Amino acid sequence: GQNIDQPTEMTATEGAIVQINCTYQTSGFNGLFWYQQHAGEAPTFLSYNVLDGLEEKGRFSSFLSRSKGYSYLLLKELQMKDSASYLCAVRDRAGTYKYIFGTGTRLKVLA
Amino acid sequence: GAGVSQSPSNKVTEKGKDVELRCDPISGHTALYWYRQRLGQGLEFLIYFQGNSAPDKSGLPSDRFSAERTGESVSTLTIQRTQQEDSAVYLCASSPRGTSGETQYFGPGTRLLVL
Repeated sequence: GQNIDQPTEMTATEGAIVQINCTYQTSGFNGLFWYQQHAGEAPTFLSYNVLDGLEEKGRFSSFLSRSKGYSYLLLKELQMKDSASYLCAVRDRAGTYKYIFGTGTRLKVLA
Repeated sequence: GAGVSQSPSNKVTEKGKDVELRCDPISGHTALYWYRQRLGQGLEFLIYFQGNSAPDKSGLPSDRFSAERTGESVSTLTIQRTQQEDSAVYLCASSPRGTSGETQYFGPGTRLLVL
C-alpha cells in the first residue's frame, strides 16, 4: 500500500534548529516535496528532492535517501512565523503523476 | 498574474443536497488536481487532470463525487447527496505541465460544512 509517516507535532524554541522526518512506502517514486501550511491557509511549496542528498535553500534544507524511503526537512534559526504544518508528499509514478501526502507535522515555535 | 482561485470560499449545506465547487487554475497550466483535507489531517488526493488525457479518478471516494474540466481551464467538483463525512476543505492546485519536479500552486480552498 501507499503510506507516508511523519510525527504529528513538534515544539522548538525561537533561534533553534529542528528536523522533521518523513518515511514513505509507495508503489512508485518520482520525487519528494515539502510544503508549508499555515493554519487556515493553502499549502505553499518549500522544497523538492528527486536524487539522494541534501538540497539547501536559505534557512531550509531537505534531505532524501531513496534506498531508505526517508527524507527530512531541516529548519535553522527558527522564527515565530515558522509555526505551521509541514507536509511531506511523494509523487507516485505508477501510471500517472499522482501526489501522496502525509498527514503533516504541526510545528510550534516558542519564544 | 492571478493565482489559483476557488469558489465559494465557504459552503454550508444540508445533508442530502448536491454541491458544486469551482476551481480556476493559473492561466496556461495544463495540470489540475483536487484534494480533500479533513480537520487536522493531511491532503487526500481526489482527481487529476492533464491536458486532454483521461483524468485519473482513482482518489474519488465514492460515486457521489465527480469532476469535470473544460479544456485547460475551469474545473468543477460535484458532490451529490452530501453526507456529514464530506465536511472538509476542498483544495485545488495547478501546475504548468504536470511533469516531474514541478511544484503545485494551491488555491485558498472551499470550506464545506454538511449539517
